[in-house]
Amino acid sequence: DAGVIQSPRHEVTEMGQEVTLRCKPISGHDYLFWYRQTMMRGLELLIYFNNNVPIDDSGMPEDRFSAKMPNASFSTLKIQPSEPRDSAVYFCASSLGLALIYNEQFFGPGTRLTVL
Amino acid sequence: DQQVKQNSPSLSVQEGRISILNCDYTNSMFDYFLWYKKYPAEGPTFLISISSIKDKNEDGRFTVFLNKSAKHLSLHIVPSQPGDSAVYFCAAGLQGGSEKLVFGKGTKLTVNP
Repeated sequence: DAGVIQSPRHEVTEMGQEVTLRCKPISGHDYLFWYRQTMMRGLELLIYFNNNVPIDDSGMPEDRFSAKMPNASFSTLKIQPSEPRDSAVYFCASSLGLALIYNEQFFGPGTRLTVL
Repeated sequence: DQQVKQNSPSLSVQEGRISILNCDYTNSMFDYFLWYKKYPAEGPTFLISISSIKDKNEDGRFTVFLNKSAKHLSLHIVPSQPGDSAVYFCAAGLQGGSEKLVFGKGTKLTVNP
């Protein structure tokens, strides 16, 4: 399996622009997670899906952020409008299940977002 | 409010010596703890975990110790190798997964040849 695939790997945009990050989870995984890594806050969960349905979006910072999972093999994280403080590395992860003791979360390589 | 804290942003160790990475947590409900390793330009990968019913789990050169009363866990790497140089994230959650996994900010380990 190719693992979790994210695109683009790097994104540089200007403040106010819309940004869309993409993720393809590992085939057969029922759970998909979006994380953000910053120096100040470390790695924090933004939202996760189960069978394409958003389950917990309490980590989404504000209404400018939205995430969708139209099918089992694709998810997007959109920021509109983007701001410089959104600059971070965004990771997508997937797992077979939610129980930590049985299910490892596999991370993608991340998208490094820079908002100027 | 950081529920999982890694107070050392960085650690430098000589090859062959022991590396000890520390992690503290505040939520006494956490019953499962994990360490992830992250190389530059890659996503974190799972390294080792421990359930709260244990106080030690060993996997090759890596051992995780859990002190529930102190709400503290540590990762020991013996002997350390240059290839171990990476950022290590501590994470905590509930075994059943009913609550989200909470990560620390990470500790950057550098193992010098």
